[in-house]
Formats: sequence, structure tokens, C-alpha cells
Amino acid sequence: NAGVTQTPKFQVLKTGQSMTLQCAQDMNHEYMSWYRQDPGMGLRLIHYSVGAGITDQGEVPNGYNVSRSTTEDFPLRLLSAAPSQTSVYFCATARQENTEAFFGQGTRLTVV
Amino acid sequence: GDSVTQMEGPVTLSEEAFLTINCTYTATGYPSLFWYVQYPGEGLQLLLKATKADDKGSNKGFEATYRKETTSFHLEKGSVQVSDSAVYFCALRGAGGTSYGKLTFGQGTILTVHP
Repeated sequence: NAGVTQTPKFQVLKTGQSMTLQCAQDMNHEYMSWYRQDPGMGLRLIHYSVGAGITDQGEVPNGYNVSRSTTEDFPLRLLSAAPSQTSVYFCATARQENTEAFFGQGTRLTVV
Repeated sequence: GDSVTQMEGPVTLSEEAFLTINCTYTATGYPSLFWYVQYPGEGLQLLLKATKADDKGSNKGFEATYRKETTSFHLEKGSVQVSDSAVYFCALRGAGGTSYGKLTFGQGTILTVHP
């Protein structure tokens, strides 16, 4: 049972490049979310989804897009990377919106 | 909106010392409270939780009590081990309005335990 799988684990981008961070879960959880972790700021919510076909913005959504075409996958897209998006990104899932969250191992992204 | 404030770190202790990491929160209604732990190179893992006032969450020797009157959820452990070295996050899950179901995290506290 893999749980929550994030790929890649590490990525270096040049300013202006685009990329997609992948998140896949095999727990049949309805709720999925993306966070970014920055030093001294804890984790901040970027986007979330309460089920397939439904997404909404979190605290820091600018510069990121998401979609949820299946229950299992919740990719995070950076259309034009900026140095301010250098961070560690975590995907988290939960059975429902108000239940325990399970986290992936993170993607460390550097934008130069 | 909801917010969580943790004591400033990092915290450095000797093995078998007593640990306290303070956490206070601001939220409407009755949020659920959590402590997550992040070991080097890994994602966050739930350490313990409490869902209502006066509940005590406990796991692996760690404890925290949901104090509604002081809006606090301090983490304690009587005797830390080297293996407890990690980053600890206090978090709440919103109970109402636009915060419902959303996790809000504190800044994180880095704990280092020396032999």
C-alpha cells in the first residue's frame, strides 16, 4: 500500500519554465490538497479538492493551477516558474475534509 | 482567520530531558487540534490529536491537552530520546465558515536531542 506518492522528489527549474508536480493516492480518499513549506512559515495551503471534478483555492494560490479528473490524482501545475516558488511542496489526502490528513514525502523545488 | 503560534526554536536538549513545546491558537468555534512530526527528508506524520476541550492526545510518550480557556495545546514529553529529533508542527482544523476542514499550521519547532 503506497499511500500518498509524490513525484519528482527534487526539481530545478529556470525562471519562466513550466512543470507539473504529481500526487497520486491509493487510499480512495475524497479530499486532496497541496501545501508549500517555507522556513519559519509552517505549511500554507495552495489548492484543495473535496472530490473528483471539484477544486478550490487555498491561502496562497497565485501562480499555481490544479485539476482533479480522478479520485487518485491531483497534479499541481506551475505555468511560469518564479524564484519565489522555490519551496518544498507537500500533497496531503484525507478520507473527508474534516478527518486525519496523510502526507506525501514532498517535492523540493528550486527555481533559479 | 484561524492562526497557530508555536514557540520559537530551535530547541536543543540532552537525552532524557523534559520537553515542552508551546502552541496557542486563534479560531472560531471548536477546532480540532493536532501535533505533526516531520523527520529529516520525510513528509509530516500525525503524532497526536484532540478534538474537544479537555481532551488529552497521547502517542509515543508525547502528550498534549486541549485547553479551551487558554487556547493552547502544548506538547510535552517526560524523557526525550535522540530518535525524537525532528521538526514538530502544531495545527488546527477549522470548525466553521470558510475555515471548515482546512488545516492551519504553526511555524514548526526544530528539536535536536543530543546523547
